[in-house]
Amino acid sequence: DAKTTQPNSMESNEEEPVHLPCNHSTISGTDYIHWYRQLPSQGPEYVIHGLTSNVNNRMASLAIAEDRKSSTLILHRATLRDAAVYYCIPPSNAGGTSYGKLTFGQGTILTVHP
Amino acid sequence: EAGVTQFPSHSVIEKGQTVTLRCDPISGHDNLYWYRRVMGKEIKFLLHFVKESKQDESGMPNNRFLAERTGGTYSTLKVQPAELEDSGVYFCASSQAGGSLLSEQFFGPGTRLTVL
Repeated sequence: DAKTTQPNSMESNEEEPVHLPCNHSTISGTDYIHWYRQLPSQGPEYVIHGLTSNVNNRMASLAIAEDRKSSTLILHRATLRDAAVYYCIPPSNAGGTSYGKLTFGQGTILTVHP
Repeated sequence: EAGVTQFPSHSVIEKGQTVTLRCDPISGHDNLYWYRRVMGKEIKFLLHFVKESKQDESGMPNNRFLAERTGGTYSTLKVQPAELEDSGVYFCASSQAGGSLLSEQFFGPGTRLTVL
């Protein structure tokens, strides 16, 4: 399975952009990168996923490096509600019996200051 | 539309007792997953149902854990007998038919289990 590396924590001020990095140097050419986040006292929630080109949705943008060895989740204007643990999740044995399983690492704890 | 629901939200039991956790997935979602986070550790996958069948149960820690999904609707996770190290938060998630990593998983709020 591909592995990911994320910083343990990051801080931001409200209304400012936040760039959350993830290294996934062992990813293969057909692996999607997924991001989930976990708000305090809640279950994880899906944020975004992508393969090669940059992706945007109502929550965030995902910038994927040309060599696909890293990606960056971008929150364009952080709000207090965005304070959460952000997980960059590699594919897990895609195509095998564990297809669909999410493998969570430590994630990045994002603190947003008012 | 209702999201994934889990019951109970909290459970406190004594070591050696039995506890049953319940998960109701989003209606129409064939895929149901159980995960857990024990104290200080990462969220770990336990198992995956497709309808009523166990697709992958590689994450189940031992035979004290039994998951069922009769009729392919709600699922239960029974721990018998519970041990201290079973304490943690148990999450259930569901996704639409297809069961691929491209299907967003919707998580419930979790059940916090405390074994004394």
